[in-house]
Amino acid sequence: DTEVTQTPKHLVMGMTNKKSLKCEQHMGHRAMYWYKQKAKKPPELMFVYSYEKLSINESVPSRFSPECPNSSLLNLHLHALQPEDSALYLCASSQVQGDGYTFGSGTRLTVV
Amino acid sequence: EDQVTQSPEALRLQEGESSSLNCSYTVSGLRGLFWYRQDPGKGPEFLFTLYSAGEEKEKERLKATLTKKESFLHITAPKPEDSATYLCAVRAGGGSNYKLTFGKGTLLTVNP
Repeated sequence: DTEVTQTPKHLVMGMTNKKSLKCEQHMGHRAMYWYKQKAKKPPELMFVYSYEKLSINESVPSRFSPECPNSSLLNLHLHALQPEDSALYLCASSQVQGDGYTFGSGTRLTVV
Repeated sequence: EDQVTQSPEALRLQEGESSSLNCSYTVSGLRGLFWYRQDPGKGPEFLFTLYSAGEEKEKERLKATLTKKESFLHITAPKPEDSATYLCAVRAGGGSNYKLTFGKGTLLTVNP
């Protein structure tokens, strides 16, 4: 079992819906990440939350918004998504920024 | 800009047939090279971190090596359960030192 837990595992949403993806880790890691992965492509970094500071990939559209309620939780709020946003969304954590990440199993998102 | 190139894109082996996967990189100040294994629809599973040229790490049938320009993942006597996509990623120094840059991966298929 992975030590980074993501829920839900699968999500289907319409373009007008608002939904949230959740990620939790209990390894005491101080950095958490959201990645997006399209089929047969490598993961692409969306957001980093480290030491209570959020860093954003400027190419990520504003319909994605991260939230970090505490050092163990990282949420990704979704609003007015497009079909091209359908992908596997991966959460990861590390002890130190950029150290070997531990990934969750991902949320398979389909936008219809 | 950091670049990671993996070859081959796909590799088919017979069970027991040893081979190597390549990861060549161009970065400004390497601060770590990472190997991951990813099964379809799942998050990447951490395998190894290498930090300096000449470093080697082993785990079961896998051995990772690092030079100043590339890394190899050697697979000795593979089994069908080794079939997966193998991802290489680098972390470079500088302002965005939290970011891992991934290669496109090598899809390994091991036939019984």
